[in-house]
Amino acid sequence: DAGVTQSPTHLIKTRGQQVTLRCSPISGHKSVSWYQQVLGQGPQFIFQYYEKEERGRGNFPDRFSARQFPNYSSELNVNALLLGDSALYLCASSLLRHNEQFFGPGTRLTVL
Amino acid sequence: AQSVSQHNHHVILSEAASLELGCNYSYGGTVNLFWYVQYPGQHLQLLLKYFSGDPLVKGIKGFEAEFIKSKFSFNLRKPSVQWSDTAEYFCAGQMDNQGGKLIFGQGTELSVKP
Repeated sequence: DAGVTQSPTHLIKTRGQQVTLRCSPISGHKSVSWYQQVLGQGPQFIFQYYEKEERGRGNFPDRFSARQFPNYSSELNVNALLLGDSALYLCASSLLRHNEQFFGPGTRLTVL
Repeated sequence: AQSVSQHNHHVILSEAASLELGCNYSYGGTVNLFWYVQYPGQHLQLLLKYFSGDPLVKGIKGFEAEFIKSKFSFNLRKPSVQWSDTAEYFCAGQMDNQGGKLIFGQGTELSVKP
């Protein structure tokens, strides 16, 4: 069975640019969550989407946005990139909102 | 604020030693608890989970964890570690007033010496 997939694997951007990260959940999973992981820390929750609606938002600025498509895949957008946005961005999928979450390999974003 | 904390940042053990990694959460309501593992160069994998019922849960690769409600703890254990258990371990909680959001601890890096 295919797990959670994310693209791209790595990305290098400069300050002020915009980035879009993509995630495909495990087949049959209806919920996608996004997390940011900086070196030496645990993942921090950004968003959860379930049935194409935002169901939770973490403590991140409005520069961060996301959406979920009818096929349950998801995109995370970050505008006006800052150096501090450099991190590993993880996508996780779950069958429903409160089930265990399965993580993808992440997208490594470097902002120069 | 609701949080999950892990006591040890880095643990070094020899092969065959027993392992216990601490995890505590701060929340008075119902919580689902998880342990995830991240092997070098790999993505986060679910080791085990607790939703309700038997407080002693068994996961993959010989790991187990015990939920002690009175201590707000969910410690991870393994009787005998192997070199291949070298990885970073994360405890996470899913509080019932926070939707499906996972709150992670800061992680514990485990190094097992052959």
